[in-house]
Amino acid sequence: NAGVMQNPRHLVRRRGQEARLRCSPMKGHSHVYWYRQLPEEGLKFMVYLQKENIIDESGMPKERFSAEFPKEGPSILRIQQVVRGDSAAYFCASSPQDRQETQYFGPGTRLLVL
Amino acid sequence: AQSVTQPDIHITVSEGASLELRCNYSYGATPYLFWYVQSPGQGLQLLLKYFSGDTLVQGIKGFEAEFKRSQSSFNLRKPSVHWSDAAEYFCAVDNQAGTALIFGKGTTLSVSS
Repeated sequence: NAGVMQNPRHLVRRRGQEARLRCSPMKGHSHVYWYRQLPEEGLKFMVYLQKENIIDESGMPKERFSAEFPKEGPSILRIQQVVRGDSAAYFCASSPQDRQETQYFGPGTRLLVL
Repeated sequence: AQSVTQPDIHITVSEGASLELRCNYSYGATPYLFWYVQSPGQGLQLLLKYFSGDTLVQGIKGFEAEFKRSQSSFNLRKPSVHWSDAAEYFCAVDNQAGTALIFGKGTTLSVSS
């Protein structure tokens, strides 16, 4: 049973470009969460999605960031017009419908903005 | 608001020695508590979790943790550390709404020979 998949694992963007990060949850999981980890920091919650719905986006920056989890395909975290401060590791987690409290994490995408 | 404090930023333990990593939380009700481990450049692996019941929880890789409500603590322990345990350890609590985990800043464990 494959775990949570994230791609790309590493992403380099220049300031002003767009970054798209993908997350495929574990098989049978219908809940997806995105977290950001800055250097020397713990993970900070960004957004929680179920299929076609954003449930909690209280941790998302108000501008340039968006997330979706379509009916088919992976969840996407999109960052428009990236800035150097967006450089971080972005982790996706998933949980099953009946055990939302237990989240399983992917390997992360390391974003570097030049 | 819920929060998690891991007082120790970095700990060094000799191989074969015992380990205790501290975690304190702030929470309005009975929390769901977690310990995760992160190896360099990797994602987070769940070590153990506490939801209710027995306050001593057993996890993978020989780790255990004890929930102490009176001290608002959930310390992680291992009786004998192996060199492969060197990693960063994160304590986390759910946000009561069940929509997110709140993490501490982590403790980096180094193992000396």
